[in-house]
Amino acid sequence: QVQLVESGGGVVQPGRSLRLSCAASRFTFSSYAMHWVRQAPGRGLEWVAVIASDGRDKHSADSVKGRFTISRDNSKNTVYLQMNSLRTEDTAVYYCARDLHIAAAEYHFDCWGQGTLVTVSS
Amino acid sequence: EVVLTQSPATLSLSPGERATLSCRASQSVGRYLAWYQQKPGQAPRLLIYDASNRATGIPARFSGSGSGTDFTLTISSLEPEDIAVYYCQQRSNWPQITFGQGTRLDIK
Repeated sequence: QVQLVESGGGVVQPGRSLRLSCAASRFTFSSYAMHWVRQAPGRGLEWVAVIASDGRDKHSADSVKGRFTISRDNSKNTVYLQMNSLRTEDTAVYYCARDLHIAAAEYHFDCWGQGTLVTVSS
Repeated sequence: EVVLTQSPATLSLSPGERATLSCRASQSVGRYLAWYQQKPGQAPRLLIYDASNRATGIPARFSGSGSGTDFTLTISSLEPEDIAVYYCQQRSNWPQITFGQGTRLDIK
């Protein structure tokens, strides 16, 4: 069964940085685009960023553009989210999610991690 | 940005009843719409993709329909474990992906 395990969340002050990791197992990681999706406490879902299977193509939501960077290391089966210049409104559970389709990013998400909580507060 | 509006906000039904959840898009998304189920304290789970395709392992009581701007998720006969919040999501306007605000389904 596919497994995605996020880590790296915690409490951080506004303006500071944090890096999230998502370790994947039990599937061919290098064949899938990967996403980050977040959920503020008690709120709905917000897509954050995507990275292509080979890492060459990346996109992010306007709300995080220029502050968050997605990357991956296919040799370690891990995807990352580098979050800089954090704001209080970035407080959320961050999920990594696998794209539904092999190779191309098609932006439906068929497997999710359990999430990691990021709290931005002074 | 494509805005997805879900209705109703909350739905309360009895086991065995039929549930009909709606998702309306602010502009056409073709058939590029998915539905997710999120139970309390859990990650979302993909139910339906591209409007009407059931994801792997999803029971047949879940079905999706629609195209353009109007979509429906139907649960033919509610089970107690179907208590959850249900979200629609469009991928037509990628990479600007958007979700609806959710419909909470309660079982009487």
